[in-house]
Order: sequence, then C-alpha cells, then structure tokens
Amino acid sequence: IAGITQAPTSQILAAGRRMTLRCTQDMRHNAMYWYRQDLGLGLRLIHYSNTAGTTGKGEVPDGYSVSRANTDDFPLTLASAVPSQTSVYFCASSAGGGGANVLTFGAGSRLTVL
Amino acid sequence: GQNIDQPTEMTATEGAIVQINCTYQTSGFNGLFWYQQHAGEAPTFLSYNVLDGLEEKGRFSSFLSRSKGYSYLLLKELQMKDSASYLCAEEDSNYQLIWGAGTKLIIKP
Repeated sequence: IAGITQAPTSQILAAGRRMTLRCTQDMRHNAMYWYRQDLGLGLRLIHYSNTAGTTGKGEVPDGYSVSRANTDDFPLTLASAVPSQTSVYFCASSAGGGGANVLTFGAGSRLTVL
Repeated sequence: GQNIDQPTEMTATEGAIVQINCTYQTSGFNGLFWYQQHAGEAPTFLSYNVLDGLEEKGRFSSFLSRSKGYSYLLLKELQMKDSASYLCAEEDSNYQLIWGAGTKLIIKP
C-alpha cells in the first residue's frame, strides 16, 4: 500500500540522548516535511525538503536536523533531546510545486523526553 | 504576521449540519486547505479552495472569500464518525502551509 511509514511509533527518551525519527515514502513525491503537533497549537513545520539533496528550515528548526540523501527517505534527528521536544511528530510528503500542494501524512511518532 | 483562527471546539447532533469557520490574515495567499484528523491519527486531506465560492464534495463543502480572508467547512447529515478535529491551513506564496490549531467537533446522538 502506497504511503508514508514512520518509525518508531512511540518512544520514551532520556534528556540529552540522540534520537532519529525515520520516514520513508513510496509515492515518488518530490517534497517531504517534518511537523510537530502540540496540544492547542497548529502543526508547526520543523524542516522540509523540496527535492532530494536539498533541505530547508521551517518555523521551529532549532534542536533538529534532517537529511535527504534520496527521494524516499527523510530522517529527523534530535542531537541532544530536551523535554520541550516532547511532542507528536508527523512526516508528510507532496508532489511539490505550485497549485494544490496536497500533503500525505505518516501515522506519527509520539516522543516523550524525560 | 500570519494568523489562522478557528474555534477550538464545537458540538453538533447526529444528522444535523455544522459550519466550521476559519479566518486568516496574510499576504501572498495561494489557497486554503481543510484536513480532518481523528484522535490519535494523521491528518487527511478534505478540500482545497483557491477561488472564491463553494466547493461541494458529497456531505462536505468548503467555501472561500479571498476579500474577507474567510473560509468555512460545511458538514451535512452528520454521522458519529465525523467526530474529529478539522484543521484549516493556508498555503502561502512559497507553497508552504500555515496551520490553524484545529476545531474539535463532537457529535452527539
């Protein structure tokens, strides 16, 4: 079934630890995104990639890094986790470009930093 | 600045009609999206409006007024499965989405 796979589904992490959230899509979408979703707030863009080999910073990039070595994969790394990074993380992809840039989301990764 | 406003929560009765409003204040507007998100799940695409007027898609319709910075999602013949959060998002001039906090819709029998 075509779509986006995120891993892990959930994780509890000690503060200061390094963590990578994985995201893989099989729709050959050009653009990929990482969002965090916190109660009472809208989805906030962390980083994005318009095409393989390029990345850009979103609204809340501090403490996070991404890479886009190929079309399918877009991992998000927390170099040294802090409790404020406790959140639900959604990876998304889209065909990109102009017009109706419809996003397809993964199921989410719930991260708790203690 | 860019600001998307929508009500935090609404309650409606099964079989009824509900309208969820969304206002936005921004330049470089490219389009307006509505997504549905059930609790614990990912958002899924419902509708996209770029021109003024009403777009109808089955029980769901979405309206846009660009001059007023206003959109609404209209849900007819409500079903219990429509209980979810409805997210309004504006597409800016860079084709990035700016999201509202979402409206939690509670359907009562």
